[in-house]
Amino acid sequence: KNQVEQSPQSLIILEGKNCTLQCNYTVSPFSNLRWYKQDTGRGPVSLTIMTFSENTKSNGRYTATLDADTKQSSLHITASQLSDSASYICVVRHRSGGYNKLIFGAGTRLAVHP
Amino acid sequence: GAVVSQHPSWVICKSGTSVKIECRSLDFQATTMFWYRQFPKQSLMLMATSNEGSKATYEQGVEKDKFLINHASLTLSTLTVTSAHPEDSSFYICSATEETFTDTQYFGPGTRLTVL
Repeated sequence: KNQVEQSPQSLIILEGKNCTLQCNYTVSPFSNLRWYKQDTGRGPVSLTIMTFSENTKSNGRYTATLDADTKQSSLHITASQLSDSASYICVVRHRSGGYNKLIFGAGTRLAVHP
Repeated sequence: GAVVSQHPSWVICKSGTSVKIECRSLDFQATTMFWYRQFPKQSLMLMATSNEGSKATYEQGVEKDKFLINHASLTLSTLTVTSAHPEDSSFYICSATEETFTDTQYFGPGTRLTVL
């Protein structure tokens, strides 16, 4: 079954600290993996996208890694800010012909405290 | 670029009434639009996929007669929740793609539906 699992479910860190969020997937065949940030009551916004051949991708203070062999990805946030408080969703695209099928993880709810 | 809007941003209605939610692509033509539902502390669940000018494709378990989707133009799709009940209360999010087979979905800001 095609699934995306994220850990931890929730995380509280102090402003300025770093953190790493995890994503494991069983989606096959795999096309690409995205990390989204979703603020409360808003739609998701894409942070990074990685294909099978990419191991790391950065977007400012966000760095995503991908190990396609072990089917694991991580999102590292450096020097966290209060505005980083949000849900972070790992989304894997299932390569099923031309059908645009996204498999969503349940997300990690991050709270950054001053 | 690639902005998707939704209207309304929130709506409260009485049980038994119908509610229409609009999804618009503001600066591109959306060949395909997707409708998702998100319950509190859960991830997005795809409800249906709609292509301009054709009938929507619904995911298993989603009632097509209850959730009516119309994609009449390349910039507008509507979701109508008919005879809404309290269990339909949720956060509804649409997304749009520019080409049929691209994997870049641009998400709208969502619509919070509360059914009393």
